[in-house]
Amino acid sequence: GAVVSQHPSRVICKSGTSVKIECRSLDFQATTMFWYRQFPKQSLMLMATSNEGSKATYEQGVEKDKFLINHASLTLSTLTVTSAHPEDSSFYICSATRGGWGYTFGSGTRLTVV
Amino acid sequence: QQQVKQSPQSLIVQKGGISIINCAYENTAFDYFPWYQQFPGKGPALLIAIRPDVSEKKEGRFTISFNKSAKQFSLHIMDSQPGDSATYFCAALSKTSYDKVIFGPGTSLSVIP
Repeated sequence: GAVVSQHPSRVICKSGTSVKIECRSLDFQATTMFWYRQFPKQSLMLMATSNEGSKATYEQGVEKDKFLINHASLTLSTLTVTSAHPEDSSFYICSATRGGWGYTFGSGTRLTVV
Repeated sequence: QQQVKQSPQSLIVQKGGISIINCAYENTAFDYFPWYQQFPGKGPALLIAIRPDVSEKKEGRFTISFNKSAKQFSLHIMDSQPGDSATYFCAALSKTSYDKVIFGPGTSLSVIP
């Protein structure tokens, strides 16, 4: 149980375009979902926390207008990178929890902006 | 205070040997300490976790040792195998921190034949 599906696994987009990444909890209802960014050989950096039906809470230094998060249902959260630039290229990972201590991570999305 | 320190940054262990990764924290409000294993190009996966009311937890070849007074905990991988080669992250969280998982910087483990 507790499977989180993230899609797409890889995406290449042109500079200036927007990209949407989906995160789905397949077998449980996620009260809270998290979005992380990870640079090569570095740890996961929390970008934002989202609760179903509420506005996401962004970490300090994360541009909310660039990284749009929507958590429309208890099983789906999306991260849209707007007007992407090469510096937005990174590995994006979502995580979901139904409460308690169980946190399940998606398999990540490799974004390359050219 | 939210930081979790982790060492070493990288580790090379012979097959069959013991891999040891150490972590330390400052925030006494942390009350759950998971370890995650991450392979290249994949998301992290929970390996084993411990609560501070327990000094040791063992699951197969993986053991967490926890020292509450020193605010330190460690992961021991017994009989290390090449398939264990991955990046390991210790983490900490508390229910008073909006459910945020605070990750350590990670340890890259290479198990050589």
